Amino acid sequence: DAGITQSPRHKVTETGTPVTLRCHQTENHRYMYWYRQDPGHGLRLIHYSYGVKDTDKGEVSDGYSVSRSKTEDFLLTLESATSSQTSVYFCAISPGTSKETQYFGPGTRLLVL
Amino acid sequence: DAKTTQPPSMDCAEGRAANLPCNHSTISGNEYVYWYRQIHSQGPQYIIHGLKNNETNEMASLIITEDRKSSTLILPHATLRDTAVYYCIVLNNNAGNMLTFGGGTRLMVKP
Repeated sequence: DAGITQSPRHKVTETGTPVTLRCHQTENHRYMYWYRQDPGHGLRLIHYSYGVKDTDKGEVSDGYSVSRSKTEDFLLTLESATSSQTSVYFCAISPGTSKETQYFGPGTRLLVL
Repeated sequence: DAKTTQPPSMDCAEGRAANLPCNHSTISGNEYVYWYRQIHSQGPQYIIHGLKNNETNEMASLIITEDRKSSTLILPHATLRDTAVYYCIVLNNNAGNMLTFGGGTRLMVKP
């Protein structure tokens, strides 16, 4: 398995609080992604990064921000969590040669009460 | 990106080959076929991809028809651990497009 870890793996928080999820890789891959997965919607891309300090929005970026200060870490922040952001969040990585061959982390289950 | 059509569910007996079909009749010449799977509660897992030639790796084989309008993912000897949702995705990997996961096929491998 690709060296990807996500932390925390589970989190319960309250509406209005900030939340940061961390994705860490040991593969030195250029691209990193954040997805969310909800019943009936499949996986949807939130943000992605194509290098240190280089990020772009995905399909469902509203309410989320990201940062990548080091190759190995990609942070997803919910500035003020809402119940609609209750979801399973997956991080993925891919080498620069093929963005579509992605390797996914184990996921973070977030519950916003 | 071309749209794909997959059956929503399939069953397969343990030890037999699982053949998962995918229709992509609007595929264009520079679009690849990718297969991923997602085992319950885990992140998606890359399986294989191809352009027009058949491909094989340690996990599966990918058979693409000559007109490229359909493909089949073959798991040669399915095990219970292959029970998962399998996604067929078609896109141009040089156009900066992102993966889009649709409904997929839920494969149930039975003893």
